[in-house]
Amino acid sequence: DAGVIQSPRHEVTEMGQEVTLRCKPISGHDYLFWYRQTMMRGLELLIYFNNNVPIDDSGMPEDRFSAKMPNASFSTLKIQPSEPRDSAVYFCASSLGQIHTEAFFGQGTRLTVV
Amino acid sequence: QQPVQSPQAVILREGEDAVINCSSSKALYSVHWYRQKHGEAPVFLMILLKGGEQKGHEKISASFNEKKQQSSLYLTASQLSYSGTYFCGTGVGAGSYQLTFGKGTKLSVIP
Repeated sequence: DAGVIQSPRHEVTEMGQEVTLRCKPISGHDYLFWYRQTMMRGLELLIYFNNNVPIDDSGMPEDRFSAKMPNASFSTLKIQPSEPRDSAVYFCASSLGQIHTEAFFGQGTRLTVV
Repeated sequence: QQPVQSPQAVILREGEDAVINCSSSKALYSVHWYRQKHGEAPVFLMILLKGGEQKGHEKISASFNEKKQQSSLYLTASQLSYSGTYFCGTGVGAGSYQLTFGKGTKLSVIP
């Protein structure tokens, strides 16, 4: 398997624009996680899904953020409208079978909002 | 509340040992350890659960003191490849993955 695949790897957008980040988990994995990493706040869990169902979205910072998982092989994280403070590296990760087990991270999307 | 990691940074020569600590003010169920190299994704090292269960790679050892809400990661006979930032993520419930990560410990191994 190619691992967790995220796209795009880099995204530069203007404030106010909509941004959509994409993730393809490892085939067969039933848990999917979205993280955000910044120098100031470190690594933060935004939301996670189990079998395509959102389980806990308490880490989502604002209503501007939304995440979906329409099927087992695809998830999106959308920011609308984007703001400069959303600039960060966004990671997607997946795991198999249970929550307290090894999670495999994608290479991340570096988002810059200007 | 974020767990506190110590030290913030450490420099080792190849072959030396190091201990990285993670401390929380909350009663913990789990501690997850990851290593991240610059510009790369975090990579799983170890999970420690309340009750003593551990899941991880053979070459990594760690401990979890449930009474003190502390975990320590032991790196022995360090190699250049051990360099990176080590993060602990702490969870308070068996049924929840709501982890809170520390700010990280930067480890540099030099020849």
